[in-house]
Amino acid sequence: GQQLNQSPQSMFIQEGEDVSMNCTSSSIFNTWLWYKQEPGEGPVLLIALYKAGELTSNGRLTAQFGITRKDSFLNISASIPSDVGIYFCAGLGGTSYGKLTFGQGTILTVHP
Amino acid sequence: EPEVTQTPSHQVTQMGQEVILRCVPISNHLYFYWYRQILGQKVEFLVSFYNNEISEKSEIFDDQFSVERPDGSNFTLKIRSTKLEDSAMYFCASKGYSNQPQHFGDGTRLSIL
Repeated sequence: GQQLNQSPQSMFIQEGEDVSMNCTSSSIFNTWLWYKQEPGEGPVLLIALYKAGELTSNGRLTAQFGITRKDSFLNISASIPSDVGIYFCAGLGGTSYGKLTFGQGTILTVHP
Repeated sequence: EPEVTQTPSHQVTQMGQEVILRCVPISNHLYFYWYRQILGQKVEFLVSFYNNEISEKSEIFDDQFSVERPDGSNFTLKIRSTKLEDSAMYFCASKGYSNQPQHFGDGTRLSIL
């Protein structure tokens, strides 16, 4: 089946630093999504990307849909303590019904 | 903002017992999903449901699993005879149209003893 490789697994950064994480796949995806999960909660959508090459921002977050449709990255600028959580990429393949394939997640810790 | 709601938040069940997890998707959404997340692992797809039938399911979703949309608002996941390895967070998700992203509930933590 389709698999996503997400890196890094974890990051420990100081408040104010920029963060970058990415996902790669051997398969093509039609949509890339980035979610954030906090303890005891479900994944919350951050950014959705629908076209190869698309670059989209949501506040301090920026994500890009790779040209090959096999990768995506998420950047967080000027991190703050509330950015702490697990960030997941998710890819949507060819079927319209929308099975999402998730990456393994990046655990982000921000030290004040 | 509309939300996907799931009940209960935590379910503890004896191995071999049946369990039903409940979800109320966002009103007017047409596509419904169940995912699970074993502690410390990634989120895994279980099943998608559209137009009152299963549209896709994973290898995890075997004969012990079933889904229902008994009325216009609820979407349930039933596990007939639970096993220890069924212990996980179970997330319900829904979306309105095929090109829209899925929105997730906060999950039900299922603990099998």
